[in-house]
Amino acid sequence: SQQGEEDPQALSIQEGENATMNCSYKTSINNLQWYRQNSGRGLVHLILIRSNEREKHSGRLRVTLDTSKKSSSLLITASRAADTASYFCATDDGETSGSRLTFGEGTQLTVNP
Amino acid sequence: NAGVMQNPRHLVRRRGQEARLRCSPMKGHSHVYWYRQLPEEGLKFMVYLQKENIIDESGMPKERFSAEFPKEGPSILRIQQVVRGDSAAYFCASSPPSLAGDEQFFGPGTRLTVL
Repeated sequence: SQQGEEDPQALSIQEGENATMNCSYKTSINNLQWYRQNSGRGLVHLILIRSNEREKHSGRLRVTLDTSKKSSSLLITASRAADTASYFCATDDGETSGSRLTFGEGTQLTVNP
Repeated sequence: NAGVMQNPRHLVRRRGQEARLRCSPMKGHSHVYWYRQLPEEGLKFMVYLQKENIIDESGMPKERFSAEFPKEGPSILRIQQVVRGDSAAYFCASSPPSLAGDEQFFGPGTRLTVL
């Protein structure tokens, strides 16, 4: 398995419900980021949480980070049909300045109207 | 400030031809990254460049693939003698000089189809 694994692989919910996606990683990190990708499109940056932070909010998004468990979660509250997309977590390698990101395989979220 | 620009958005090549993918980073960004995404998968790192220098090419296949980021002009990812397995979406990202692993800004991608 690889750095940055999300679960579940796919999630289907009704509009208005909350969606929770989880990400696990293996090595030390400086920060962890979440991105969204609509089908056939590029990636949109959602939120970055640093290794010394435990929780961060941005609008309807809430991200937590547990470095002891090497895991993170992304919560989308009051979901909308427009939230339908793939969500990826990405980690840096914790050592190199301006380093590459390692992405997980993503969670495909479907929000049904 | 325009975002990261990539062209072409779609590229079709026959086996054995060359593919050239271009990426113009955001203004003020001197770090460029190339990633490849196969269908239904996450992005896989290929190469990290700064102006005129390759910093990390550990994700690049050893043969047929090359990348450059000249002093003037866009970054180029070149794939020689393409094969069907090269069909994928290729994304470029850029970032300003910064601390390790800060946000990277992604372009819309180039979707390469090899016939």
